Amino acid sequence: EAGVAQSPRYKIIEKRQSVAFWCNPISGHATLYWYQQILGQGPKLLIQFQNNGVVDDSQLPKDRFSAERLKGVDSTLKIQPAKLEDSAVYLCASGKRQSTGELFFGEGSRLTVL
Amino acid sequence: DAKTTQPPSMDCAEGRAANLPCNHSTISGNEYVYWYRQIHSQGPQYIIHGLKNNETNEMASLIITEDRKSSTLILPHATLRDTAVYYCIVSSGGTSYGKLTFGQGTILTVHP
Repeated sequence: EAGVAQSPRYKIIEKRQSVAFWCNPISGHATLYWYQQILGQGPKLLIQFQNNGVVDDSQLPKDRFSAERLKGVDSTLKIQPAKLEDSAVYLCASGKRQSTGELFFGEGSRLTVL
Repeated sequence: DAKTTQPPSMDCAEGRAANLPCNHSTISGNEYVYWYRQIHSQGPQYIIHGLKNNETNEMASLIITEDRKSSTLILPHATLRDTAVYYCIVSSGGTSYGKLTFGQGTILTVHP
């Protein structure tokens, strides 16, 4: 079974530029999550989708972050404009419908903002 | 979701059992205990979860106290590849579509 795919693995940009990350979840998984992990901290949930609908985006900084999950499969997370404090690893995870909490994570996309 | 308390770091000798404790004194009746681990430069990996009873799978055992206020993850024969950050998470699981709130975790270092 293929795992959660993310790209790019690494991205370096300057502040005020924009960046987009892509996630392809495990086939058939209805729930999809984006987490932000700052160095030395645990992952922090940004947004949660059930199929192509948003379940929880309460911790997403909506003035600069946006995410979508078209057709209930792939998802993109965009940051515009980026700030220095956005430097982090962005993790995508997926789970089965009515997940019991067993989530499958991708390897993450590491963003460095200069 | 209830919060958890874990020691920041632990050491273990290779081949010995690693016992990682977690306190979750404010856990409510419908909340599960989950354990994940994160090896350097990788995404978190699910290990095990439980509600009331002790659980065992091919990776680990989970012991939950009778009052459910604490739990212990046991890696029966630790190897160098078990060196990772271990997260104990309490969540209502399916009722919140598997939403997980990660804390700081325990850095487990397995020594030769």
